[in-house]
Amino acid sequence: GAVVSQHPSWVICKSGTSVKIECRSLDFQATTMFWYRQFPKQSLMLMATSNEGSKATYEQGVEKDKFLINHASLTLSTLTVTSAHPEDSSFYICSARGGPGGGTDTQYFGPGTRLTVL
Amino acid sequence: QKEVEQNSGPLSVPEGAIASLNCTYSDRGSQSFFWYRQYSGKSPELIMFIYSNGDKEDGRFTAQLNKASQYVSLLIRDSQPSDSATYLCAVNIGAGGGNKLTFGTGTQLKVEL
Repeated sequence: GAVVSQHPSWVICKSGTSVKIECRSLDFQATTMFWYRQFPKQSLMLMATSNEGSKATYEQGVEKDKFLINHASLTLSTLTVTSAHPEDSSFYICSARGGPGGGTDTQYFGPGTRLTVL
Repeated sequence: QKEVEQNSGPLSVPEGAIASLNCTYSDRGSQSFFWYRQYSGKSPELIMFIYSNGDKEDGRFTAQLNKASQYVSLLIRDSQPSDSATYLCAVNIGAGGGNKLTFGTGTQLKVEL
């Protein structure tokens, strides 16, 4: 139980293009999903909290117009990196809160999406 | 002062030994505590969570929580080379903090043959 998937697992794009990343909770409903970014040899950095049916809450310093988040259903949240630039290259990881067997605030992570912007 | 602190390591232990990973946190209102394991290039995977003071055991893993000392630890018994990874401590301070997890920077564990 508590499986979270992400798609794609990796993506390479040209500077200026937009990239959409999907995060799905496969065997449980997640009213809240989180999006993190991790640069090499650094810890996880929370970008935003996504609640089903409402606007995402962004962390300080994260541009909401650049990182568009949509949480249209209890099992799907998407992150769109708009007009991507090389400095956006990173490992993007989503998590979903809830799931069987865990506490109500337990977060289960997806496998991550490695974005490379040329 | 960082909210969640961990020694970055690396912590090296011989195979079969007990690995002890430590974490301190600053917010006394913290309510739940998590240990995640992250292999290089992979996303974190949940090992254990603990809510109450004391010990919680799951197989070779034991989480220990001391709220008075604001300290949480993870013991790994009979360490195996496959346990070599970075271990992330995460703390949830509850609704007042947005019900988010605050992560430490992680401790790198190396289990040597």
